[in-house]
Amino acid sequence: AQKVTQAQTEISVVEKEDVTLDCVYETRDTTYYLFWYKQPPSGELVFLIRRNSFDEQNEISGRYSWNFQKSTSSFNFTITASQVVDSAVYFCALPNTGFQKLVFGTGTRLLVSP
Amino acid sequence: EPEVTQTPSHQVTQMGQEVILRCVPISNHLYFYWYRQILGQKVEFLVSFYNNEISEKSEIFDDQFSVERPDGSNFTLKIRSTKLEDSAMYFCASSGSDRGLDIQYFGAGTRLSVL
Repeated sequence: AQKVTQAQTEISVVEKEDVTLDCVYETRDTTYYLFWYKQPPSGELVFLIRRNSFDEQNEISGRYSWNFQKSTSSFNFTITASQVVDSAVYFCALPNTGFQKLVFGTGTRLLVSP
Repeated sequence: EPEVTQTPSHQVTQMGQEVILRCVPISNHLYFYWYRQILGQKVEFLVSFYNNEISEKSEIFDDQFSVERPDGSNFTLKIRSTKLEDSAMYFCASSGSDRGLDIQYFGAGTRLSVL
């Protein structure tokens, strides 16, 4: 069965610091997708990125970047020059075999203080 | 930008009462989901729905729960006799094509408080 581990429960940084959120996954599938979602204090779940297991290139979107390493089953998320608005809970997720549902990690709460 | 809409944002009910949580998925999407998140915990899958039937459900989704797509736009989750432990945030999601291969877009959630 799929499993997603986010070992960091909470991270506190000061604005403008860089921060990396770790995600380690387990799957027996040869083809799979990985996702990151953001849950701000208002509570909604906001899609950030989807990654195909065939594509190990790092992705950058503004201050956000993702490092996908199949060899270590990790899909880490880095925020560069963090801002207070980045304060949220971040979830890594992996679809189950058969792609019927997303399996979420326990989330990492990021607190960015001014 | 199209979005998933959930109503109400907060529902308070007495234990044993029935509740219906409503969702309007993104209009051209074909797959619909309900997830729940107990306060401070991770997001858990409840059920997926495609072509007017349940395609997968979790152990949480017992006989107290049901889903329905009563018309072309709404997708509902009914809890027949609420328990204290049903208190949680319930998220609706939809995706356009091949289930987990496609992006699931989530609504803002309904916070259910069972007293």
